[in-house]
Amino acid sequence: GQQVMQIPQYQHVQEGEDFTTYCNSSTTLSNIQWYKQRPGGHPVFLIQLVKSGEVKKQKRLTFQFGEAKKNSSLHITATQTTDVGTYFCEGPGGSYIPTFGRGTSLIVHP
Amino acid sequence: DAGVIQSPRHEVTEMGQEVTLRCKPISGHNSLFWYRQTMMRGLELLIYFNNNVPIDDSGMPEDRFSAKMPNASFSTLKIQPSEPRDSAVYFCASSPGRTGGGEEKLFFGSGTQLSVL
Repeated sequence: GQQVMQIPQYQHVQEGEDFTTYCNSSTTLSNIQWYKQRPGGHPVFLIQLVKSGEVKKQKRLTFQFGEAKKNSSLHITATQTTDVGTYFCEGPGGSYIPTFGRGTSLIVHP
Repeated sequence: DAGVIQSPRHEVTEMGQEVTLRCKPISGHNSLFWYRQTMMRGLELLIYFNNNVPIDDSGMPEDRFSAKMPNASFSTLKIQPSEPRDSAVYFCASSPGRTGGGEEKLFFGSGTQLSVL
């Protein structure tokens, strides 16, 4: 079945440094969703990408969908302590069943 | 909108006891999901309902787990008998639809932290 791989598993950064997490699917995706889970919280939807090569920005966050629609990335510019959490990508598999990556946990050191 | 509502927030029980987790999805959402999250295995999909009908329950660990959705506004996940290895955070999520029409995003409840002693 479909697999969604995410790297890295953990990332430590100093506040102000940039951060990127990558998501790769074993199959072509019709769309991809990104979520953020704060420590002790629940995943919260951030954004959806649909088009090949699509780039979307939310303040310091930049999301990209690959041309082949099999990979995606999330880049955070100048991290802040409020960015701490685990970032998940999710792509629909067969019957549009949501398949989540293992997530990348971002730790920001002040 | 109150969002997805789960109860209880925390459950501590002894091995062998029955546990029932409850979920109220967002009104109007057609799809409902039960997930289990652990450090070792991440987010695991247990079961997926669409219009109250179970579509995929291949993630349900074993016969000890069962889920129902008697109507569009309520779902339960039952574990009987519970075991220590069932300890995890259980999330319920709902979605407007999972049909490729752009409404695929999931809304998660706050989760139930289950501890089986």
